Amino acid sequence: GEDVEQSLFLSVREGDSSVINCTYTDSSSTYLYWYKQEPGAGLQLLTYIFSNMDMKQDQRLTVLLNKKDKHLSLRIADTQTGDSAIYFCADERDYKLSFGAGTTVTVRA
Amino acid sequence: NAGVTQTPKFQVLKTGQSMTLQCAQDMNHNSMYWYRQDPGMGLRLIYYSASEGTTDKGEVPNGYNVSRLNKREFSLRLESAAPSQTSVYFCASSESEVLQFFGPGTRLTVL
Repeated sequence: GEDVEQSLFLSVREGDSSVINCTYTDSSSTYLYWYKQEPGAGLQLLTYIFSNMDMKQDQRLTVLLNKKDKHLSLRIADTQTGDSAIYFCADERDYKLSFGAGTTVTVRA
Repeated sequence: NAGVTQTPKFQVLKTGQSMTLQCAQDMNHNSMYWYRQDPGMGLRLIYYSASEGTTDKGEVPNGYNVSRLNKREFSLRLESAAPSQTSVYFCASSESEVLQFFGPGTRLTVL
């Protein structure tokens, strides 16, 4: 959706960290999400963050939320070839998700 | 526990044909959703059903109808398919606003 924006492509070397950025416009969102889509597959929920949190860490994933700037990021530590996929951020309004266009992450050896 | 299932996986239609996309979930979720995914546009909400017996329009409802047949099933119907409806369609379900579980998708081509 046009209210959630992401860069379209990211190329990262195997073993490096990936950072995917997202901006959103609706300050009333309660939750913000990151989904992963592998080729030919559906969307898999990676992680989410409640809007009153600044950071959430889950193994190799770190989500940072800057509510003032309406900026959300996903950091993947020690990026592996299996992390190659499209990553979508989404915000939630009234139980409905609004998605960004997706960031295609390519992991190179 | 299969989660969210969709049928068919692939479909090719001619302009003007009709078809119904099926979706079922076995997680006893109240809410179900239909999205379409187009290149460079992310997912856009077509219709949703907050509970059995209710349906509401999403962002792009034109050309579609839905039926919440029971708590498990939520179908999407194209009465007269158009090439602009060529897309990948995803069904999702949730119990709360926190989590939406997605099906594997239906790839539809309209010639």
